[in-house]
Amino acid sequence: DTEVTQTPKHLVMGMTNKKSLKCEQHMGHRAMYWYKQKAKKPPELMFVYSYEKLSINESVPSRFSPECPNSSLLNLHLHALQPEDSALYLCASSQDRRQPQHFGDGTRLSIL
Amino acid sequence: EDKVVQSPLSLVVHEGDTVTLNCSYEVTNFRSLLWYKQEKKAPTFLFMLTSSGIEKKSGRLSSILDKKELSSILNITATQTGDSAIYLCAVERYSGGGADGLTFGKGTHLIIQP
Repeated sequence: DTEVTQTPKHLVMGMTNKKSLKCEQHMGHRAMYWYKQKAKKPPELMFVYSYEKLSINESVPSRFSPECPNSSLLNLHLHALQPEDSALYLCASSQDRRQPQHFGDGTRLSIL
Repeated sequence: EDKVVQSPLSLVVHEGDTVTLNCSYEVTNFRSLLWYKQEKKAPTFLFMLTSSGIEKKSGRLSSILDKKELSSILNITATQTGDSAIYLCAVERYSGGGADGLTFGKGTHLIIQP
């Protein structure tokens, strides 16, 4: 188990559903990240939060909506997803830009 | 656009062998290069290499950064079946945003046969 906790571990949803992914860390890290990983592919960056402010959005469709309510918590709100959005969604955190990113175990998302 | 190329993409060796995994990169305003090991779930951090730390070692694993050649290698000596995994190389660049995401290579799928 990692120190970055993601819930749920698995999620199956229809294209009209609204759901949220949650990521939590209690290491005092001030940067948090969302990545998307398709099968047999490397992780791809989606969003970066630094000191609870969105600093990078890698042209992600608006059906993905990130939220950072406090320094320990990062959410990813999902709405009207497409089957091609099925993937492993990884959260990571780091102390600051000089420290490495540490990843959670991910949420495996399937869109029916 | 940042680019990270790993080779080989897959490698099968026998237990006890030594392996060398390669990573080359093209990135604007390079800050660091990181190696991760990924089995079934989360990528696990191995090494971070920057201008001020171009060689790292931990047990049977070691890594070197060649800033002139824009490349890095990851060495694993006396391999064990537990080393079987996908090894990911990633680069990070300076930006004004305070924190930067990683650009990953496609990974090397390493299989250690008993």
